[in-house]
Amino acid sequence: AQKVTQAQTEISVVEKEDVTLDCVYETRDTTYYLFWYKQPPSGELVFLIRRNSFDEQNEISGRYSWNFQKSTSSFNFTITASQVVDSAVYFCALRKRDNYGQNFVFGPGTRLSVLP
Amino acid sequence: EAGVAQSPRYKIIEKRQSVAFWCNPISGHATLYWYQQILGQGPKLLIQFQNNGVVDDSQLPKDRFSAERLKGVDSTLKIQPAKLEDSAVYLCASQGGLRSLTEAFFGQGTRLTVV
Repeated sequence: AQKVTQAQTEISVVEKEDVTLDCVYETRDTTYYLFWYKQPPSGELVFLIRRNSFDEQNEISGRYSWNFQKSTSSFNFTITASQVVDSAVYFCALRKRDNYGQNFVFGPGTRLSVLP
Repeated sequence: EAGVAQSPRYKIIEKRQSVAFWCNPISGHATLYWYQQILGQGPKLLIQFQNNGVVDDSQLPKDRFSAERLKGVDSTLKIQPAKLEDSAVYLCASQGGLRSLTEAFFGQGTRLTVV
């Protein structure tokens, strides 16, 4: 079975602080994709990143960076110099690379509050 | 490019009433999903369509929930009769294809409150 765990329910930081959101996943598949989505108060899930299970290179995009470690089944997300606009619920998700059934499995989410 | 459109944005009904939600996916996207997101939880897949065929509806409570995508484009999700525990946000998402390597694109959701 596939499962995604986000142990941090809520995090509060002050603007300009760095913050890391944790994601641990379980899967028996050897090929899969990992995702991070952001859900602002408007409710829409906004795609942030997709990572292939074969590609363990870490990625940086502006103030966002992702650390994928297959050995610990973790896919952590770091926001550097956080801003108030980063306040949202962040979801980590797992998806089989090639599937005909259940698709994305989402974690429970981490609510990030960035205070001015 | 237009995103995934959903309506209505909000709906309040009494228990045992029926309700329907509508979704228009991104043009050309063959795969369409309906997710249920209960407050404080991550989205849970209800049903997945590939064109107008159902790929996975294993988590759809079929005694009260139904969904269709007759022409392989837009889709409706219906609940009849509604229960209090159906209060949630119902998200529609679309994707380029079943084997597509792309992410899913989500609509803003319909927030259902059952009183």
